Amino acid sequence: QVQLVQSGAEVKRPGASVKLSCKASGYSLSSNFFHWVRQAPGQGPEWMGTIHPDGDTTTYAQTLQGRLTVTRDTATSTFYMELSSLRSEDTAVYYCAREAPSAAKNFDFWGQGTLVTVSS
Amino acid sequence: QSALTQPRSVSGSPGQSVTISCTGSSNDIGAYNYVSWYQHHPGQAPKLMIYDVNKRPSGVPDRFSGSRSGNAASLTISGLQAEDEGDYYCCSFAGNSVHYVFGTGTEVTVL
Repeated sequence: QVQLVQSGAEVKRPGASVKLSCKASGYSLSSNFFHWVRQAPGQGPEWMGTIHPDGDTTTYAQTLQGRLTVTRDTATSTFYMELSSLRSEDTAVYYCAREAPSAAKNFDFWGQGTLVTVSS
Repeated sequence: QSALTQPRSVSGSPGQSVTISCTGSSNDIGAYNYVSWYQHHPGQAPKLMIYDVNKRPSGVPDRFSGSRSGNAASLTISGLQAEDEGDYYCCSFAGNSVHYVFGTGTEVTVL
């Protein structure tokens, strides 16, 4: 079955970068869009960006353009999300999510989440 | 792009029905048939409950149903059960500029 397993919690200083991983299993990585979503404390989720099934094309939320990079390593079935120039407002739980193959624009499987804390 | 508006909390006794509203705009819920609902228990992965406004994924009980009227969507849980407690979020596609907007979240409590 489909599983998305994310890397562990991170604590970063303002201005630093963080790179999270999401290892996928149980399906072909080249068949779905893959997304990153985050949820800050007390707020609803926020869509961050996506990587096309081709593994090269990416689209990012306008608010994160220039700071966010999403990549894929097909050899290890792992997706990565790197966020740079961290600020306190980036403190959140970060989720990876697969776009449903038979129901575009919906997220049918999610990772368990990774807490990123940005603090001086 | 503002988040979709949901009530902070709803509650009901076992067996009752509850409805969660999700208010958006003509740029998201009112424009696309891509409204989804997610159940989330803190510390766990969110779970897709409804997609494309009113479709249920395999394995989701039929007591969960979705609908839309204009710029607002709703999730109804009929025959409420203790296991339905948790946080619920709506989500809508909002075009190729904004992409996706999520709701503010609703906590469902079974009394």
